[in-house]
Amino acid sequence: DAGVTQSPTHLIKTRGQQVTLRCSPKSGHDTVSWYQQALGQGPQFIFQYYEEEERQRGNFPDRFSGHQFPNYSSELNVNALLLGDSALYLCASSFPGQSSYNSPLHFGNGTRLTVT
Amino acid sequence: AQKVTQAQTEISVVEKEDVTLDCVYETRDTTYYLFWYKQPPSGELVFLIRRNSFDEQNEISGRYSWNFQKSTSSFNFTITASQVVDSAVYFCALSDWGGATNKLIFGTGTLLAVQP
Repeated sequence: DAGVTQSPTHLIKTRGQQVTLRCSPKSGHDTVSWYQQALGQGPQFIFQYYEEEERQRGNFPDRFSGHQFPNYSSELNVNALLLGDSALYLCASSFPGQSSYNSPLHFGNGTRLTVT
Repeated sequence: AQKVTQAQTEISVVEKEDVTLDCVYETRDTTYYLFWYKQPPSGELVFLIRRNSFDEQNEISGRYSWNFQKSTSSFNFTITASQVVDSAVYFCALSDWGGATNKLIFGTGTLLAVQP
């Protein structure tokens, strides 16, 4: 039973470029969340997708956008990259329609993005 | 505002020592969940425990135990007889009452180094 898988594992981009990160949720999960983890910090919530719609968003600018596909996989897009966007981007999935009150998040290994 | 504080940034112990990781939280909600996650060097966040705000019983799982005290807004984590494999960053997290979402508020983490 595959867990949450993310690709690529590492990425190097230049300021101003655009990047797309991908996530496949754990089998049976239909809700996907994205978190940004800067070096030495805890993860910060970017947004969550359920039924192909953004259900909630954290304090991130519109440069951060996402998408969820019918097979529940998801993409995180970041436009006009800044040096400060360098971080580990974590994807997490959970059971159908449930909140954290019933189902803990399952995280992937993340994508390490470096912006130069 | 919702907040999680992990005042210990780094802890170093020798194998077989007991170690306690502190977590203090702030929330306006009367119903909430608290979590502990482990992050090894691979980057994946591994779920350890979930505790709801109505259950103040301490919990023990093998060498791990958790002490939840609502009166002091603390949810501390103790590892008994630590092992080198316990070396990782440990995060305490608080659920944000966003209705149907799984948004978590993480602390800044505690890096635990267990020396042989």
